Amino acid sequence: QKEVEQNSGPLSVPEGAIASLNCTYSDRGSQSFFWYRQYSGKSPELIMFIYSNGDKEDGRFTAQLNKASQYVSLLIRDSQPSDSATYLCAVPSASYQKVTFGIGTKLQVIP
Amino acid sequence: EAGVVQSPRYKIIEKKQPVAFWCNPISGHNTLYWYLQNLGQGPELLIRYENEEAVDDSQLPKDRFSAERLKGVDSTLKIQPAELGDSAVYLCASSSTSGRGGNEQFFGPGTRLTVL
Repeated sequence: QKEVEQNSGPLSVPEGAIASLNCTYSDRGSQSFFWYRQYSGKSPELIMFIYSNGDKEDGRFTAQLNKASQYVSLLIRDSQPSDSATYLCAVPSASYQKVTFGIGTKLQVIP
Repeated sequence: EAGVVQSPRYKIIEKKQPVAFWCNPISGHNTLYWYLQNLGQGPELLIRYENEEAVDDSQLPKDRFSAERLKGVDSTLKIQPAELGDSAVYLCASSSTSGRGGNEQFFGPGTRLTVL
């Protein structure tokens, strides 16, 4: 099992719809979880982080964490063409000595 | 506040040649990371520095790669000799909390290396 797993996509959603991006991780001791957005040819930028079970909302973005299931997701409401990018899930190890990135899910928002 | 600075942005070299990348982190960030990113993949850590100390270099191919961060500020990553498989984007990132790899990392624009 990979340490951090994501579906590479592409995930295609129509403009205005909800995009749901998923990530599973193997280290049960991990305490924090990060979502980065990476536009083509650009470097990753942090858009959300979550530490506690449940939901965390920031504008059109909602991160959801379920530690028992080792599952973290990112919801993007009212998707816009400008949201088209690759979304990387990043999970630090329990000791915070190492951060592992997933392969990234490519999102395409169709106008 | 200036972001993470990397140079050069692009580099094309022939195999077996040496190459060096430079990174200047955000001022005050004591943790510096070098990542390698292949097309369609997530960033893979090469080395992490806490100030001038390399605290995680387990993924650095030490036969050809080397890195330094002599004064705990800017850093250089070197490849000698370069191989075709080294073609990738080399990302530098920094964060502000010592000893923890889990805090927000700010990435530089990256150096795209092409080895011919």
